[in-house]
Amino acid sequence: DSGVTQTPKHLITATGQRVTLRCSPRSGDLSVYWYQQSLDQGLQFLIQYYNGEERAKGNILERFSAQQFPDLHSELNLSSLELGDSALYFCASSVALTGASTDTQYFGPGTRLTVL
Amino acid sequence: GQNIDQPTEMTATEGAIVQINCTYQTSGFNGLFWYQQHAGEAPTFLSYNVLDGLEEKGRFSSFLSRSKGYSYLLLKELQMKDSASYLCAVTSLGSNYQLIWGAGTKLIIKP
Repeated sequence: DSGVTQTPKHLITATGQRVTLRCSPRSGDLSVYWYQQSLDQGLQFLIQYYNGEERAKGNILERFSAQQFPDLHSELNLSSLELGDSALYFCASSVALTGASTDTQYFGPGTRLTVL
Repeated sequence: GQNIDQPTEMTATEGAIVQINCTYQTSGFNGLFWYQQHAGEAPTFLSYNVLDGLEEKGRFSSFLSRSKGYSYLLLKELQMKDSASYLCAVTSLGSNYQLIWGAGTKLIIKP
């Protein structure tokens, strides 16, 4: 158990819908990262928040947005869903953002999103 | 730009030793991570190397050569549960300290 929690574990929805994925980081971690992993594909970095502020953006679609709240939990919002958005969505957290060993990312169990 | 290369897939025999290589191109190297990911599960942290040399952790060891832009993960006494993907990731000044992830190496262990 990494200490990172994600809800829900599974989500099934229809095209065009909007969903919200939730992540609670490990106690003491200030950075939250969101990743997308499609079937048999590598991890695609979406976005990072550090202490409530957006820190870095990866390959995140305009239909997707995220935020980090004062209690440091984060939500990833996916809208106008398409079949191709079906994937595992992972949240990870780390203490800081310096790129050093203290920036080791610990992953939550993921949310499996299925768009029908 | 930043780039990481790993073999796509490797096969090894239970009880044997396997070496998974990772080569990278980056500017301002600041560390290399190895993660293990079982199918459908979250990646789990294995090791972090920032200085040249070998770091040993039980059956797993990780090696780094900064001058060659090269790392390997060595798995000894392979067990069936080691069947997983192994992800190499690099952090650098050039990537603004964001992790650049390799595509992963799928390791298949045969009895």
